[in-house]
Amino acid sequence: DSGVTQTPKHLITATGQRVTLRCSPRSGDLSVYWYQQSLDQGLQFLIQYYNGEERAKGNILERFSAQQFPDLHSELNLSSLELGDSALYFCASSVRGGSGNTIYFGEGSWLTVV
Amino acid sequence: QQQVKQSPQSLIVQKGGISIINCAYENTAFDYFPWYQQFPGKGPALLIAIRPDVSEKKEGRFTISFNKSAKQFSLHIMDSQPGDSATYFCAATRARETSGSRLTFGEGTQLTVNP
Repeated sequence: DSGVTQTPKHLITATGQRVTLRCSPRSGDLSVYWYQQSLDQGLQFLIQYYNGEERAKGNILERFSAQQFPDLHSELNLSSLELGDSALYFCASSVRGGSGNTIYFGEGSWLTVV
Repeated sequence: QQQVKQSPQSLIVQKGGISIINCAYENTAFDYFPWYQQFPGKGPALLIAIRPDVSEKKEGRFTISFNKSAKQFSLHIMDSQPGDSATYFCAATRARETSGSRLTFGEGTQLTVNP
C-alpha cells in the first residue's frame, strides 16, 4: 500500500459525460501528480500540483482540468468524454522536489467510456 | 528531447536466469532515473533508482547500470523468480527542488519468469 488513495476504482460512463476522479496523497506529501495509462500511449504525465498551485502541465487535454485543495487532496475533472479517454488514471504524490524524491502511485481509477 | 525508449517490449526468462531491460534517453538534463514495477491491477511502485554520478547501483537481486556518455541505462534482475513477473517501466526526470519530479516513462517491458 503506497498510501495514495484514489476513488472511484472503477467508473463506466457514456460519451459526452463528465466525471471527477479524487486523490488523497500520502500524509505529508505536498506534490500531487496525475498520469494516464493506456495501451497505445503508455504512461503519460498529465499535470502536477504543489501545495495547491499548478506546477507543470504535460499531455493534458483542454477538456480535462485538475485542482489541489487546501487539505492537499486533488481532483481530476474529465468532461465531454470520448471513447478514447478510456484509460487507467493514476494519482501520485511526493514530499516535495529535488532529485531522489520518490513518487508514490495510487492504484488508479479505471475509466471506461461507452 | 523528452522521450525514453525502452526495450524489449516483452521478455520471457526461466527461473534463476538473468532478466535485462534496456532504456535510452535523449534529454541530457535528466538527472534521476528510476525503475518502476507494476503488477496487474496495481499502480507502479518504485523498484530502484540511480543518479548520473554513478555507473551502477545494486539492491538485492536488482542492479541498474548507467552509461552517461551513451545516454543509456539498464535493469538487471539476477536469479529471476516467478514472483518477478510484472511490467517494468524505466523513467527519467529532471527534478526541481521547489516542485517535484515529473516522470517521463519508457514504453514498458512485460516480464514473464517461467518456473
